Amino acid sequence: QKEVEQDPGPLSVPEGAIVSLNCTYSNSAFQYFMWYRQYSRKGPELLMYTYSSGNKEDGRFTAQVDKSSKYISLFIRDSQPSDSATYLCAMSSILTGGGNKLTFGTGTQLKVEL
Amino acid sequence: ETGVTQTPRHLVMGMTNKKSLKCEQHLGHNAMYWYKQSAKKPLELMFVYNFKEQTENNSVPSRFSPECPNSSHLFLHLHTLQPEDSALYLCASSQDHGSGAAYGYTFGSGTRLTVV
Repeated sequence: QKEVEQDPGPLSVPEGAIVSLNCTYSNSAFQYFMWYRQYSRKGPELLMYTYSSGNKEDGRFTAQVDKSSKYISLFIRDSQPSDSATYLCAMSSILTGGGNKLTFGTGTQLKVEL
Repeated sequence: ETGVTQTPRHLVMGMTNKKSLKCEQHLGHNAMYWYKQSAKKPLELMFVYNFKEQTENNSVPSRFSPECPNSSHLFLHLHTLQPEDSALYLCASSQDHGSGAAYGYTFGSGTRLTVV
């Protein structure tokens, strides 16, 4: 079983739609939960960062964490064509030697159409 | 210049070549990472350096050799690679506060490597 499961898509939605992206995980040691956005030919960029269960909102983006179910979500409201990208969930755990390790999902490819 | 810079952006090398990938971060972070990104697969952690000391080697073949001369620079030396090593190699940095808090990585744009 993979540590992090994410539907690769592709997901195609019309402009203005609400998008729901999800990941499940199996490792209870994960402490911090993130969503990254990756445009073609670019490195991933951090979108949202959460620690505790619950919701965190930033503009059109809402990140939701349910630690009891080991399930995280990213909602995008009023989606725009510029939101077309691959969305990666990531979860962190501590490295004993220092630093931390991010474990990523495979990424969901999103296309927002005019 | 700001952020994390990787060079070269693209690299084509033969299986007998030796080449190096370079990463530089201008963020004052103390941890640096190499990740491999292959199509249809999750990003795969390769190496972690914290205060220029290697703290993680994720069972990476010895044909990949990292070097971290200081907290701002990270190299990945490549030799006798295989075609299956073709991928996007991403460098990242983060600030390790020692509490285990992960404030997210800042990634470079990657080096697209093709082994022929």
